[in-house]
Amino acid sequence: NAGVTQTPKFRILKIGQSMTLQCTQDMNHNYMYWYRQDPGMGLKLIYYSVGAGITDKGEVPNGYNVSRSTTEDFPLRLELAAPSQTSVYFCAIGRSTNEKLFFGSGTQLSVL
Amino acid sequence: KNQVEQSPQSLIILEGKNCTLQCNYTVSPFSNLRWYKQDTGRGPVSLTIMTFSENTKSNGRYTATLDADTKQSSLHITASQLSDSASYICVVSAVDSNYQLIWGAGTKLIIKP
Repeated sequence: NAGVTQTPKFRILKIGQSMTLQCTQDMNHNYMYWYRQDPGMGLKLIYYSVGAGITDKGEVPNGYNVSRSTTEDFPLRLELAAPSQTSVYFCAIGRSTNEKLFFGSGTQLSVL
Repeated sequence: KNQVEQSPQSLIILEGKNCTLQCNYTVSPFSNLRWYKQDTGRGPVSLTIMTFSENTKSNGRYTATLDADTKQSSLHITASQLSDSASYICVVSAVDSNYQLIWGAGTKLIIKP
């Protein structure tokens, strides 16, 4: 039971490149979230999903896209990477909105 | 504007000592308050979740308090251990937040031997 698995752990992109951050869960939780964490700041919600086929924007969705074709997977797509997207990205899952979240170990992304 | 503020920003204490971390929030209407522990290079891990009616909740050596009237919470760590070195993050959920949690910036705690 791995919980929440994120790949890759580290990535360096050039400005304008694209990439997909992968998130997979084996806990069968409906709710999945993508957050970014910048130094000295609280986590910011990028996108979330309440179940397969349903996604919605969070606080900071610009420059990102997501899909949720299965319960297990919730990939985050960066198109035309910009230096402002340099951050640590966390995927999280939850059984309901009132219960605790379980986080992956994060992806450190640098855009140069 | 919904906000969560934590103090202090950072704290250094000796192993075995106790400490208290503070969280003030201006989130309304309030649903629940959570404390997470985040080790360096790892994702946050849940410590407690408290609803409006709960004013104290313990998880081992961690005790969280909540005063919904003054919109303040504290996390007390007893008999600190080196493994307690981490960032502690206060998170508040609003009733109509559309699944969004308001995250504090965290208190970085360093335990010295």
